[in-house]
Formats: sequence, structure tokens, C-alpha cells
Amino acid sequence: AQSVTQLGSHVSVSEGALVLLRCNYSSSVPPYLFWYVQYPNQGLQLLLKYTTGATLVKGINGFEAEFKKSETSFHLTKPSAHMSDAAEYFCAVSGSGGYQKVTFGTGTKLQVIP
Amino acid sequence: DTAVSQTPKYLVTQMGNDKSIKCEQNLGHDTMYWYKQDSKKFLKIMFSYNNKELIINETVPNRFSPKSPDKAHLNLHINSLELGDSAVYFCASSPRGATDTQYFGPGTRLTVL
Repeated sequence: AQSVTQLGSHVSVSEGALVLLRCNYSSSVPPYLFWYVQYPNQGLQLLLKYTTGATLVKGINGFEAEFKKSETSFHLTKPSAHMSDAAEYFCAVSGSGGYQKVTFGTGTKLQVIP
Repeated sequence: DTAVSQTPKYLVTQMGNDKSIKCEQNLGHDTMYWYKQDSKKFLKIMFSYNNKELIINETVPNRFSPKSPDKAHLNLHINSLELGDSAVYFCASSPRGATDTQYFGPGTRLTVL
């Protein structure tokens, strides 16, 4: 069984401020972890993913996330928010092996204030 | 060239009608999915196919029937539409399975009146 919890359904930051979106996961097998972004009226697109190896993962648009097994967390950060970062962000988890499914979190809407 | 395409983009229909949504991917991926996103943005998997074979069938009413004529296409047929079926439906594909990046289509917004 697997699950994802995203803390905070809405997050507001000022332009230029740090972005921190929180994600905690639960998985009975070594997890594959993803962050996807959804802009208004569009499908989701991958920001970054963790499979194995290096725990700090860098993605597109200056985002990065760190896999912390002891905390079962995979928080998403960006040092300086840009207006174009305003979107819905989804954390997701999948287990390795066989035909696993991906479980998505409930999403966090990021608002960037000028 | 669009990687994952869906038609139609918008679908407005009456309760009780039957409708279909089509999905095509030109990425050569083996696995395709249907997701339902409700008004609160909650995204839930409905079905997954690998090389035309159904591998995931979540708790979905049997009014929903997916069909995969080949590995590049996954269509969704919905019988006897209900108000609660109103949502955005996303098709996605990935190279081999759930551990790979998924590529999403633009979505089909279904409104049942």
C-alpha cells in the first residue's frame, strides 16, 4: 500500500521568496517519487523524480527536492519564486516492481504575489 | 507534434447519454492510463493498459469501459452518464510502467447536465 500527503492545499509566497511545498509519503516498498506541475487548463507535466541514488534531485525551472527516508518526505523547493510558478503542484509515489500504480497527493496550489 | 492527444477537449451532455473520449500517443510508449480529476483537483487513476492489456482497474463503475485497439490508443466509453461523472478526464502514457515519467494529455472536461 502507498499514500501521499501534501501539507497545505494553498501556499502563497511573494515573488523572489523561497518556495517550499511539503510532501510526505508512505510505501511498503522502496518508493519512486515524483513532483508534477499543472498549469491552468492543462495536463500535468513532470518537474522532477527520484528513483534511486542521489537523494537531492534537480528538476526543471529551478526546482529541486530532497528524498529523506528517515522522515518519509520529499519536499519541493525553489530559492526564488517567479510569477510563472503559479500553478497546482502534485506529489506522487509509485512502488518498484511489477505493474504498480502511481498514487497522487491532493495537490498544492501555489500563488505568487507580486 | 502533440505527444498525447485527447478528443474532444470539452464534452457537454445530458444525464443518461453515452459518450466516448479518445486518446492517442505518438511516443511509442507501452503503458497508457485514464485518470479522473474532480472539481477539487483530486486526481485518481481509473485504468491502466500495458501493450493493449488491462493491468489496473480501480473501483470504477462498470458504466466506464476502456478499449485499447493498439498500444498507441486508449479510448474511454461511458454509458448512462450521471451528474457525478462531471470531471476532467486525463489520458497519460509512460514508456513501460508506473516507475517511469507519465506524459499527460490536455484533458477532456466532461459536464453532465
